[in-house]
Amino acid sequence: DAGVIQSPRHEVTEMGQEVTLRCKPISGHDYLFWYRQTMMRGLELLIYFNNNVPIDDSGMPEDRFSAKMPNASFSTLKIQPSEPRDSAVYFCASSLRRFRGQIQYFGPGTRLLVL
Amino acid sequence: DQQVKQNSPSLSVQEGRISILNCDYTNSMFDYFLWYKKYPAEGPTFLISISSIKDKNEDGRFTVFLNKSAKHLSLHIVPSQPGDSAVYFCAASEGAGGGADGLTFGKGTHLIIQP
Repeated sequence: DAGVIQSPRHEVTEMGQEVTLRCKPISGHDYLFWYRQTMMRGLELLIYFNNNVPIDDSGMPEDRFSAKMPNASFSTLKIQPSEPRDSAVYFCASSLRRFRGQIQYFGPGTRLLVL
Repeated sequence: DQQVKQNSPSLSVQEGRISILNCDYTNSMFDYFLWYKKYPAEGPTFLISISSIKDKNEDGRFTVFLNKSAKHLSLHIVPSQPGDSAVYFCAASEGAGGGADGLTFGKGTHLIIQP
């Protein structure tokens, strides 16, 4: 299996621009998670989906952030407009529901720099 | 308010010796705990997990211990090898019973194995 795929791996943009991050989960997984890693806050959950439906978006920092999952094999995280404080590494993870315990598999991340 | 705490930002251990990484949590609803390992420019990779119904789980050189009354868990690596040098994240969730939740992560401990 190819694992979780994220694109782009690096993104440099200017303040005010729209940024779209993409994720392809592991085939057959029914949960998808978006995380953000910063020096100050560490790894924090932004939003997660089950069977393409958003379940909990309480971690999304502001209305400038939005996420979609149009089908089981694709999700996007969009920031519009972007600000310098959005600079971070964004990870996507997927998992398969189990009776007890779930392991989330992470993608390589997208390193975002907003100037 | 950090619900998962890793109080040692870094730890240096000699090759062949035991590495002990510690993690404390405050949320008594957490019932599933995981350790992830992260190399630079890669996503976190799953290492080992433990359910709250157990106090120990072992996988090769890696053992995780859970002390529920103290809300403390630790990861033991024996013997430590140079390839173990990485950042280790402790994570917890409330969804061990068949549900699924995002993970709450500690800020990580950078383990350095000295030759």
